[in-house]
Amino acid sequence: DTAVSQTPKYLVTQMGNDKSIKCEQNLGHDTMYWYKQDSKKFLKIMFSYNNKELIINETVPNRFSPKSPDKAHLNLHINSLELGDSAVYFCASSLDPGTSVYEQFFGPGTRLTVL
Amino acid sequence: GQSLEQPSEVTAVEGAIVQINCTYQTSGFYGLSWYQQHDGGAPTFLSYNALDGLEETGRFSSFLSRSDSYGYLLLQELQMKDSASYFCAVEESNYQLIWGAGTKLIIKP
Repeated sequence: DTAVSQTPKYLVTQMGNDKSIKCEQNLGHDTMYWYKQDSKKFLKIMFSYNNKELIINETVPNRFSPKSPDKAHLNLHINSLELGDSAVYFCASSLDPGTSVYEQFFGPGTRLTVL
Repeated sequence: GQSLEQPSEVTAVEGAIVQINCTYQTSGFYGLSWYQQHDGGAPTFLSYNALDGLEETGRFSSFLSRSDSYGYLLLQELQMKDSASYFCAVEESNYQLIWGAGTKLIIKP
């Protein structure tokens, strides 16, 4: 049973398109995250949600919009894709803030390639 | 500013011991985590130190010195499957980890 799942695993698209990545966790965790990992493997936090509420919104272009319909799901929508958006996007979750943000469970990643 | 420093690459021999260091400068500090990431895979949690000292989990140990803003991950009896990138991450607040750039561990037979 997958704990944190993401779809799709690979996404190849043209510049200017709009795309979405879906994330679901079945761990019963309260907090979910989106990270971007570039080609140099640097992990950058983009967003964090706790119980469907946005709690971290790093300096990310507003073309990126997260949506959390419930605490088990956190989706990422990207408008007007640019070449620089090519990266691996990871969803993660942790039990609850204050006690366990140090242990995050990651999904398998979505490799986005913008042509 | 906030920063975590770790070596970009470390090479070791199978069966040996290797230490990956991490120094940090962050506005808040609750603890230091370590994650492993194989090529093409996702980061997975290895260990966490909130207090000074050594934490041991099998072949892996992690150390923290809060006064020195320093920690390390120690890997013993290295196996080829330990070839991966290792990230230190500071629990900077109730909601966020600040990540290092990762150390690529290369293991030679």
